[in-house]
Amino acid sequence: SAVISQKPSRDICQRGTSLTIQCQVDSQVTMMFWYRQQPGQSLTLIATANQGSEATYESGFVIDKFPISRPNLTFSTLTVSNMSPEDSSIYLCSVYGGGMAGELFFGEGSRLTVL
Amino acid sequence: AQKVTQAQTEISVVEKEDVTLDCVYETRDTTYYLFWYKQPPSGELVFLIRRNSFDEQNEISGRYSWNFQKSTSSFNFTITASQVVDSAVYFCALNTGFQKLVFGTGTRLLVSP
Repeated sequence: SAVISQKPSRDICQRGTSLTIQCQVDSQVTMMFWYRQQPGQSLTLIATANQGSEATYESGFVIDKFPISRPNLTFSTLTVSNMSPEDSSIYLCSVYGGGMAGELFFGEGSRLTVL
Repeated sequence: AQKVTQAQTEISVVEKEDVTLDCVYETRDTTYYLFWYKQPPSGELVFLIRRNSFDEQNEISGRYSWNFQKSTSSFNFTITASQVVDSAVYFCALNTGFQKLVFGTGTRLLVSP
C-alpha cells in the first residue's frame, strides 16, 4: 500500500491569489495523479505527473492554470493559479499501489474555498 | 470512450435494511478493471474492491458483496444489514491498465437509525 500526505488539508483563499498543494508519498512511484472534486460532484482527473517530464493535462485543464511540479519520485505539487470561486473544490493526489492496474490510493485531499 | 453510470443519486434506508448500489459501465477494451470507493463525510476516499474483466466471480466481504455481470456491463454493490456508519457517497470507477480512473457520479447512501 501507499501512504499519501497532502498539505494543506484545507484553506480559505482570496480571489485572484494562487495556492500550491503538496503531495508526499511514502514510496517511489512513477506516475502521480491529480484529481479535482467540485462540491457535490464526482472526481475528475486534472493531470498525470511523471517524474522528469512535463505533466499530461486532461481536456479542460491547462498548465497556466494548474502548473504541476514533479521533482522526484515521491513528491509533487499542484498550484491553482489566479483562483476564482469556481475553483473551490477538493484536490486529491493519487498513486497506484503496484501490480497490474492495482489499487489507486488517494491522499486525504486539500479542501479549498475561494472567496 | 469509457463511461461509468450510477443512476441512483441518493438512497435512504433504515438501519438493518439491505441496499444495492447500481453501476453500469461502458468500454471497448477487453481488459479493464472496476473499482468501488467509499467517501465518508470526512472526505477521504476509501478503496473497497477491485475486479478485473476476466474474473466474473462474485465477491463477499463481511456485509459487502459485489455482483459483476459482463453480459449487462454491471458491477453492483450490495450492503447487507446496513448500519449508520455505512452512510457515505459510494463511487464506482473504471480503468484499463495504468490509466486514469473514470468515476461515476456517485451514490449518496443515508442510513438512519
